[in-house]
Amino acid sequence: AQSVTQPDIHITVSEGASLELRCNYSYGATPYLFWYVQSPGQGLQLLLKYFSGDTLVQGIKGFEAEFKRSQSSFNLRKPSVHWSDAAEYFCAVGANGNEKLTFGTGTRLTIIP
Amino acid sequence: NAGVTQTPKFQVLKTGQSMTLQCAQDMNHNSMYWYRQDPGMGLRLIYYSASEGTTDKGEVPNGYNVSRLNKREFSLRLESAAPSQTSVYFCASMREMSPQHFGDGTRLSIL
Repeated sequence: AQSVTQPDIHITVSEGASLELRCNYSYGATPYLFWYVQSPGQGLQLLLKYFSGDTLVQGIKGFEAEFKRSQSSFNLRKPSVHWSDAAEYFCAVGANGNEKLTFGTGTRLTIIP
Repeated sequence: NAGVTQTPKFQVLKTGQSMTLQCAQDMNHNSMYWYRQDPGMGLRLIYYSASEGTTDKGEVPNGYNVSRLNKREFSLRLESAAPSQTSVYFCASMREMSPQHFGDGTRLSIL
């Protein structure tokens, strides 16, 4: 069975600083990986996805993530955060031919001026 | 396009009451999903439907039933609501080899 771990429950960064949110997954074959963002009171919005190919993927809002098979990781990065990035971020893993996703427990991001 | 539409957005029930949460998508997606979101637990899959006419249990199906009415609509029913079912419920849909698209959620409180 697949699983996802987001080890950081809450992260606080200053506006303009760089950001890295961690995601580790467990799955036997090549996974499908996703990062979603959820603003308060809203649904989940896709930031980026990895299916195959280039292990560094670019997403919306200036985010990127790197798939590292050897570390079973798919960390989310942004070089300079904006106050509007304050939200909750979810990593998710799926498998080819299996429509079900498994979500991590989320990381809440707070931005300080 | 509206994407994934959930109704209602908010609901308060008393213990033992029944209710159906509605979900509709206009993207011609085959697969549809119901999740619940609780603080510190991420999203947990309740039921899903890989195609019209099929439904399968997810991680936390107890106390819920679903109906895939047609390709567009997937409803979630609570037959006898319990306080433990207080949660935010999300519907999602997807086509093969693509990400899931989410509705804005239904916030359900059971007293």
